[in-house]
Amino acid sequence: ETGVTQSPTHLIKTRGQQVTLRCSSQSGHNTVSWYQQALGQGPQFIFQYYREEENGRGNFPPRFSGLQFPNYSSELNVNALELDDSALYLCASSFQPDTQYFGPGTRLTVL
Amino acid sequence: SQELEQSPQSLIVQEGKNLTINCTSSKTLYGLYWYKQKYGEGLIFLMMLQKGGEEKSHEKITAKLDEKKQQSSLHITASQPSHAGIYLCGADMNTGFQKLVFGTGTRLLVSP
Repeated sequence: ETGVTQSPTHLIKTRGQQVTLRCSSQSGHNTVSWYQQALGQGPQFIFQYYREEENGRGNFPPRFSGLQFPNYSSELNVNALELDDSALYLCASSFQPDTQYFGPGTRLTVL
Repeated sequence: SQELEQSPQSLIVQEGKNLTINCTSSKTLYGLYWYKQKYGEGLIFLMMLQKGGEEKSHEKITAKLDEKKQQSSLHITASQPSHAGIYLCGADMNTGFQKLVFGTGTRLLVSP
């Protein structure tokens, strides 16, 4: 158990829709990172939030956005969903710059 | 091209056998993390290596980071069915924030 939770577990959306994924970090962790993992691939870094501000971003378009809240929770929002957005979305929390602990993931399917 | 290469991509070993998984980078690694993942689930942290030549062990799993800090190996001794899963190496490429770059993973099956 990492103490990191994510909701929902699974989600099915259609192209063009918007989705919000949620993550609850370990208590005391000031950093949350989001990753996208396509089938058969390693996780790809989307972005990181440190003390409620975006701290770094990977090669993802602006329709991927996030928020981090003072209560150790965070959100990943994806607008205008595309078929290629189908993946496992993982959040990881850490006390910067220590080890990242991952949640169980949200499986998003876009039809 | 992949910044981190893992080999082999998949591995089937008989229970009780030893095995090694490799992770190679073309750049200097500032922190190398090993995680294990069950299919479709989250990543479980195994070990973190930072110094060249460093070696860490936990139960039957040993990880090493070579002196030049460009390659790491994960060795499992006397494998058990519980070791089955996907092993991922993740590296901190010194981007100024802790962005992890991952390899594509090694899928391990342990046959009874």
